[in-house]
Order: sequence, then C-alpha cells, then structure tokens
Amino acid sequence: AQTVTQSQPEMSVQEAETVTLSCTYDTSESNYYLFWYKQPPSRQMILVIRQEAYKQQNATENRFSVNFQKAAKSFSLKISDSQLGDTAMYFCAFMIRGGADGLTFGKGTHLIIQP
Amino acid sequence: GAGVSQSPSNKVTEKGKDVELRCDPISGHTALYWYRQSLGQGLEFLIYFQGNSAPDKSGLPSDRFSAERTGGSVSTLTIQRTQQEDSAVYLCASSLDSGKNTEAFFGQGTRLTVV
Repeated sequence: AQTVTQSQPEMSVQEAETVTLSCTYDTSESNYYLFWYKQPPSRQMILVIRQEAYKQQNATENRFSVNFQKAAKSFSLKISDSQLGDTAMYFCAFMIRGGADGLTFGKGTHLIIQP
Repeated sequence: GAGVSQSPSNKVTEKGKDVELRCDPISGHTALYWYRQSLGQGLEFLIYFQGNSAPDKSGLPSDRFSAERTGGSVSTLTIQRTQQEDSAVYLCASSLDSGKNTEAFFGQGTRLTVV
C-alpha cells in the first residue's frame, strides 16, 4: 500500500512571497505519478501540477514548480509570487501507473495568503 | 458537458434512508473514480470504473455501498440504510484513459449529511 504524508497542516505567507509545501510518500512501485491538487472552498479539486516518476526533470507550471527527489521519496511544491487566489487546501497525491487503484492523497495543507 | 457534473450538490437525509448520488463524467472519458472526503479520514478512494466495469470493489466502506456505471457514462453511488458516519463529501472524477492519460478532472462533489 502507498502512503502520502504532508507534515504541514497549515501555512500562512504574505502576498508575493514564495512558499514551499512539503510531501513525502512511501511505495514499492517503480512506475507511478505524483500530483499536487488545489481545493478552494468551492470543493472542486483542481490539478496544479503533475510529475511522472521516470522523468528526472522537475515539472513546472508558471508560478508552480516541484522538487522531486525520487530516492528520498520527496515531492515538494514551490509557489512563487504567491497571490490571494492561491489560498486553498493543497493535497499531494500518488497514483500507480494504470490508475486502477485511484489516487492516494495526503491529509492536505491549508495555505493562507495574507494581503 | 464541459466538466464533471455531480448531483445533488447537497443532500440531507435521515438515518436509515437510502441515497443515490450521481456523477456525469466528461464526454469520452472512459475512466471514472469515486472518492469520499471526511474530516476524520481525509480523502479516500472508493471505486474505479473502466468503461462500465469495476474490477475491484474492495475500497467501498461496507456492503451498504454500491456503485454502477451504465453506457460508459453516468455513474451512481448508492448508500443503503445510511448512518451518521456516512456524512461526508463524495467526489467523482473522470479521466480520458487511466493508463495513458492520468489527469483526472473532478466534480464539485455531493455533501451528504445524515441526521
């Protein structure tokens, strides 16, 4: 079984600052994907960024980037130039290639961007 | 439709009643997932459909839970004899193909409250 751990229940930063959310996971699988999802109060989970485990290069999407350390089983999310709209719950998630077992989520980090 | 649609958005039911939750995936998406989000348990994977078939139902919390998918499209999650511990947000997600395209798009969920 896979586990995903997010050790920061809540974080608060000032607008325009950079913030890093941490995530570690445990698996014996070799082919898998990692994701960061954002869940605003509307409840809809929105994909922020994803990383294929076989790719060495860290994924980047505009202000969002990850630091993927496969050997350490670490997958942190960096948000640059944070904006008020980034305030939300952020979930780190894992999926085995093939997808039949669905996503395994961490407990989430509540990120608050202060004006 | 443009996105994953779930209905109802909110449901309040009396303990012991049956409820049916509906998910309309994105047209053409063959993979469909149900998750449950509760304060105590976080996000839990319930069941996965590839087409109309659910290869593994072991993620369903009890035998009071059942799910089906017809025509490779709409899915319903049925909870019989609801209990207070069933209160949660039930999220549905779909993806084009679980093996080849792992980006899952989520609906806004159904908040179920059992009183």
